[in-house]
Amino acid sequence: AQKVTQAQTEISVVEKEDVTLDCVYETRDTTYYLFWYKQPPSGELVFLIRRNSFDEQNEISGRYSWNFQKSTSSFNFTITASQVVDSAVYFCALKEYGNKLVFGAGTILRVKS
Amino acid sequence: EAQVTQNPRYLITVTGKKLTVTCSQNMNHEYMSWYRQDPGLGLRQIYYSMNVEVTDKGDVPEGYKVSRKEKRNFPLILESPSPNQTSLYFCASTPGTGVEAFFGQGTRLTVV
Repeated sequence: AQKVTQAQTEISVVEKEDVTLDCVYETRDTTYYLFWYKQPPSGELVFLIRRNSFDEQNEISGRYSWNFQKSTSSFNFTITASQVVDSAVYFCALKEYGNKLVFGAGTILRVKS
Repeated sequence: EAQVTQNPRYLITVTGKKLTVTCSQNMNHEYMSWYRQDPGLGLRQIYYSMNVEVTDKGDVPEGYKVSRKEKRNFPLILESPSPNQTSLYFCASTPGTGVEAFFGQGTRLTVV
C-alpha cells in the first residue's frame, strides 16, 4: 500500500538558515510520481515540483532544491537561506498508476525574522 | 485563466442539513477528485472520477456522495452532515496520471 511519512511535524528556523524537510514513501510499484506542495497561511495548495520514479536527478530551483533517493525511498526538500515568506505547511505526496494522491501529514515550517 | 473553482469557500451548517459543495474546472481535465484536510492527517481522498459518469471511492468516502454528469463539474454532496465532517475540503483536477493536480481554493466546512 502507498504511504508517505513526514516525520517532522513542525520546524522553526531563523531567517537565512537552511532547512530540510524530510519525506519518506512506501510503494510497491516501479512507476510512481512524487510531489511537493506548499500551503501558505492563505490556505491554497501551491504545486512546487513533480518527480517520476525513473528520474533520480536532483533539482534546484532558486533557493529550493530536492534530493530524490530511491535507495532510501526519500524525497527531501531543502530551502536555502529561508525567508519569512517560506512559512507554510509543506506536503509531500505520492501517486502510483491512476489518480490517487497519497499525502503525508505535512510539515509546518515557521521562519522567524 | 486555468482554474478549479469551489463554492462556497466557507460554510457553517447544522447536523443533518443536506449540503452541496460545487467544483468546476475549465481545463477539460479527465480526472477530478475530492480531498479533506485534517490536522495531523494531511489530505485524504474522498472520491475521484476518471470521466463523466465514472466515479469511485477514495480512502474516506463514508457520509459523502459525488456525481459527474458533465466533464467540468464534480459536486460533493453531504446528505446528512455530522460534526466529524467538519474539515477543509479541496477539489482537484488533473489531465493524467503523471501530472500534478490543480487544486481549488478550498472550502472550510463547520458542522455544528
